[in-house]
Amino acid sequence: GQQVMQIPQYQHVQEGEDFTTYCNSSTTLSNIQWYKQRPGGHPVFLIQLVKSGEVKKQKRLTFQFGEAKKNSSLHITATQTTDVGTYFCAGNRKLVFGAGTILRVKS
Amino acid sequence: GAGVSQSPSNKVTEKGKDVELRCDPISGHTALYWYRQRLGQGLEFLIYFQGNSAPDKSGLPSDRFSAERTGESVSTLTIQRTQQEDSAVYLCASSPRGQGDYGYTFGSGTRLTVV
Repeated sequence: GQQVMQIPQYQHVQEGEDFTTYCNSSTTLSNIQWYKQRPGGHPVFLIQLVKSGEVKKQKRLTFQFGEAKKNSSLHITATQTTDVGTYFCAGNRKLVFGAGTILRVKS
Repeated sequence: GAGVSQSPSNKVTEKGKDVELRCDPISGHTALYWYRQRLGQGLEFLIYFQGNSAPDKSGLPSDRFSAERTGESVSTLTIQRTQQEDSAVYLCASSPRGQGDYGYTFGSGTRLTVV
């Protein structure tokens, strides 16, 4: 069945450093969504990408969808302590979720 | 309502008992989903309801698990003869239309502990 892999599993950065998480699928995706889950909280929808090569920005967050629609990335510029949490990608109409990347930020 | 409401927020039950979890989606959202999240892990799809169509039950882990939804309203997830491996947070989400068209709005979840 379809699998969505996320790397890294865990990243600890100094406040102000950049952070990137990658999402890779074994099959072509029709779309990809990104979610953020704060510690002890529930996933919150961030964005959806649909088109090949699409790039979207939300303030310090940049999301990309690969040309082949098999991978995606989320990049955070100049991390802040409020960015702490687990970032999940989820692909295709049935939203198969990756295992997530845990981000910790040292102030 | 303003968001997806789940109850109870916490449930502790004895092994072998049945439990019922409730989800009240956002009004007007035709699609409703149940996911399971074990501690420190990702989200595992359980079941999907879309309007009055037959639900997609392909993620239910065993026949001890069942779910119902009447029209576009409340859904209940029932786990019979609970086992310790059922301990997890059960998340419900809803969206305006079908799978993948819009972002999902998740509820705060029900934390189930089987002792």
